[in-house]
Amino acid sequence: QITLKESGPTLVKRTQTLTLTCSFSGFSLTTNGVAVGWIRQPPGKALEWLALIYWDDDKRYSPSLRGRLSVTKDTSKNQVVLTMTNMDPVDTATYYCARFGRAGYDWFAPWGQGTLVTVSS
Amino acid sequence: QSVVTQPPSVSGTPGQRVTISCSGNSLNIGRNSVHWFQQVPGTAPTLLIYRNDQRPSGVPDRFSGSKSGTSASLAISGLRPEDASDYYCAAWDDSVSGPVFGGGTKLTVL
Repeated sequence: QITLKESGPTLVKRTQTLTLTCSFSGFSLTTNGVAVGWIRQPPGKALEWLALIYWDDDKRYSPSLRGRLSVTKDTSKNQVVLTMTNMDPVDTATYYCARFGRAGYDWFAPWGQGTLVTVSS
Repeated sequence: QSVVTQPPSVSGTPGQRVTISCSGNSLNIGRNSVHWFQQVPGTAPTLLIYRNDQRPSGVPDRFSGSKSGTSASLAISGLRPEDASDYYCAAWDDSVSGPVFGGGTKLTVL
């Protein structure tokens, strides 16, 4: 069974740096083709892709947020860490991590439960 | 404003068939597979359709997907009250070297 779970602060202040951890089980981030992605969803709004990190450490970032995002992995701990700098109230959202792969059935499947991050001004 | 567009809402009555459209361009849907997600309010999204028309195990065959050119559609037949959810399409976008999600469609079962 594949599971993912996001953890991190629920409240950050404007201009601070957000660090979120995705802890997963049931798959390995050393397997060819496997990746973990981050997606966020502001309250009442649509999903927005943020970042991907692949098994070979290839990293992709949303162009609209590139420069503020960094993603790293620790394969020994089965964890992926997302860092977002210079947080603003518009970054208030539920942040999800999900497995991502090429097979199709693993295209952002499954997702973690999400963690709501509120940015105060 | 997403580069992949969906109608904000659709509705239907139990037993009806509804479709949700998803429109992109030559760099996303035109070149790559479309995937659909269902998000029950208050929960995380789940993969509903992958590679345009494939259903993960456990997804009823009432749900079907199709793609033509730079557009795709999700059809739900035999509508049930529990189908009331938000539905998102997504595809890889070669212009950003990453995935892009549609703006989402809220399905109301009347």
